[in-house]
Amino acid sequence: GAGVSQSPSNKVTEKGKDVELRCDPISGHTALYWYRQRLGQGLEFLIYFQGNSAPDKSGLPSDRFSAERTGESVSTLTIQRTEQRDSAMYRCASSLAGGTTAHLSTEAFFGQGTRLTVV
Amino acid sequence: GENVEQHPSTLSVQEGDSAVIKCTYSDSASNYFPWYKQELGKGPQLIIDIRSNVGEKKDQRIAVTLNKTAKHFSLHITETQPEDSAVYFCAAPLWDFGNEKLTFGTGTRLTIIP
Repeated sequence: GAGVSQSPSNKVTEKGKDVELRCDPISGHTALYWYRQRLGQGLEFLIYFQGNSAPDKSGLPSDRFSAERTGESVSTLTIQRTEQRDSAMYRCASSLAGGTTAHLSTEAFFGQGTRLTVV
Repeated sequence: GENVEQHPSTLSVQEGDSAVIKCTYSDSASNYFPWYKQELGKGPQLIIDIRSNVGEKKDQRIAVTLNKTAKHFSLHITETQPEDSAVYFCAAPLWDFGNEKLTFGTGTRLTIIP
């Protein structure tokens, strides 16, 4: 079946422009994560959606960053007034995990990422 | 706060030797411990995972051990090969207001020296 899909795969934008990155999770996955990964670095947590709960936005680096998710489907990460330091790979992952009763974690599947370059 | 710590950040081993990467976690409710491998230019992919009801799991040359009392788990790669060179991430679910968030370690860059 289809995995996690991210678009675009590459995005070059001018400093000061807004960008939208899209993530289509695996159907039925209630949990969705956005991470930022700079070249040669680890996964920097940005935001987490779980079902209908309020998203965990604790990783967003500034108010220029925001994300939305429609139900348990597609999510968009928006970066306003982009800066050169925003250049990185943005990765989305989804999983079945979560909730208050099952206590049963499952594998997170990653998309191929969107490489953002701000010039 | 709740987190996952991973060590070492870089590791170089001779081909054929073993490699061990360790992670510690802070949430005693964590019950699932996956390891991801990220090859150059690709996204992280699951290579092995362990649940809290077992202490060790093996899959060919890789194994994961779990010590719930000490809250740490380790990835073991034996008879290392050049294709094992990659960045490895551990993860653990941290519970926050009734929701589970999979939290990753900072990664270990493993280099296998031919």
